[in-house]
Amino acid sequence: QSVLTQPPSVSGAPGQRVTISCTGHSSNIGAGYDVHWYQQLPGTAPKLLIYGNNNRPSGVPDRFSGSKSGTSASLAITGLQAEDEADYYCQSYDSSLSGSGVFGGGTKVTVL
Amino acid sequence: EVQLLESGGGLVQPGGSLRLSCAASGFTFRSYAMSWVRQVPGKGLEWVAGISTGRDSTYYADSVKGRFTISRDNSKNTLYLQVNSLRAEDTAFYYCARVLGGPYSPYFDYWGQGTLVTVSS
Repeated sequence: QSVLTQPPSVSGAPGQRVTISCTGHSSNIGAGYDVHWYQQLPGTAPKLLIYGNNNRPSGVPDRFSGSKSGTSASLAITGLQAEDEADYYCQSYDSSLSGSGVFGGGTKVTVL
Repeated sequence: EVQLLESGGGLVQPGGSLRLSCAASGFTFRSYAMSWVRQVPGKGLEWVAGISTGRDSTYYADSVKGRFTISRDNSKNTLYLQVNSLRAEDTAFYYCARVLGGPYSPYFDYWGQGTLVTVSS
């Protein structure tokens, strides 16, 4: 069971807006630690999508946005496109665990 | 262009060992912390181990502590993961990743393509 909780799947029609939640605890997101998001297309390695809660690396479309509040964070995809069909993972730091980071269990986004 | 290329995976019996390597290019390797992240096929991501720039600090997930050892050779631009006492549950793709963000906000901005470790008799 993952430290950060994500819904297993979300879906939407092309052009719609979908959101993915990432729920943590007082030892990670609730403690103020940043949340980062990754996109993993089928058969490929993960790719950084959002860092520091709401920052996009160069080359990531502005259709992707992140937010954080309390013990949760969210990734929003607006204007959903077929190429957005992928797995999405949130990641943060947890002060109760050793090491670098903890991941959510991942959310499969399906474009209908 | 930043590139990370893992190698060393394969089929190994329970209790066996492997040494995974990650050859880095396109950036100043010695200036970045690095990590290993694994993924059971069809499942989610799990951070495994991390190392600071100067090799003086290493970090491990509880699930691998005492069995895995992360190291780096900055003269060869290469990251390593020695995996010992392997168990079936260690079967996964192992990715090396470059770390940004500092000790309390680490994130992974570049990933390799992964190397598959299969533990089976």
